Amino acid sequence: DSGVTQTPKHLITATGQRVTLRCSPRSGDLSVYWYQQSLDQGLQFLIQYYNGEERAKGNILERFSAQQFPDLHSELNLSSLELGDSALYFCASSPQGRSTEAFFGQGTRLTVV
Amino acid sequence: GIQVEQSPPDLILQEGANSTLRCNFSDSVNNLQWFHQNPWGQLINLFYIPSGTKQNGRLSATTVATERYSLLYISSSQTTDSGVYFCAARDYGQNFVFGPGTRLSVLP
Repeated sequence: DSGVTQTPKHLITATGQRVTLRCSPRSGDLSVYWYQQSLDQGLQFLIQYYNGEERAKGNILERFSAQQFPDLHSELNLSSLELGDSALYFCASSPQGRSTEAFFGQGTRLTVV
Repeated sequence: GIQVEQSPPDLILQEGANSTLRCNFSDSVNNLQWFHQNPWGQLINLFYIPSGTKQNGRLSATTVATERYSLLYISSSQTTDSGVYFCAARDYGQNFVFGPGTRLSVLP
């Protein structure tokens, strides 16, 4: 168990809908990262938050947004869903500082039908 | 941003064989990690190794930061080692970039 909790584990929804994925980082970790892994693809960095503020942005679509709350949990909001958004979405957390190990949650498998 | 390459892309082994997976990165990094993604999709931390050598059971890893590569060694492979192995590097701009992975299949 990495200590990073993601909910839900599985999500099936229709095109055009909006969903929210939740991530609770390891206790004390200030940084949260979101990644997308489409079928048989690598992991694409979406966005990073550090102590509530956006720190880095990757290939995140405008239909997607994220935030990190004062209790350090994070949510990834996906709207106007398309079939191509079906993927495994991972959250990772790491402690304060750059040279630190990141730990990943079990992921949320999103299926858009 | 930083580029991360891995080789080979695919590897098929008989149980008991040894293997070496390679990760090359394009720039200086302050974080290098190896992960194993099992068939159920879970990402398991193997090593946090920005430099030097570490060992954990049948697995070991070496990173030569000055030459911008890292190696993952798997000895006496088992069927449970099957899956995809990723390396990921964080540059000083904080982006944590994954390589494309090496898909390992260990046959009984």
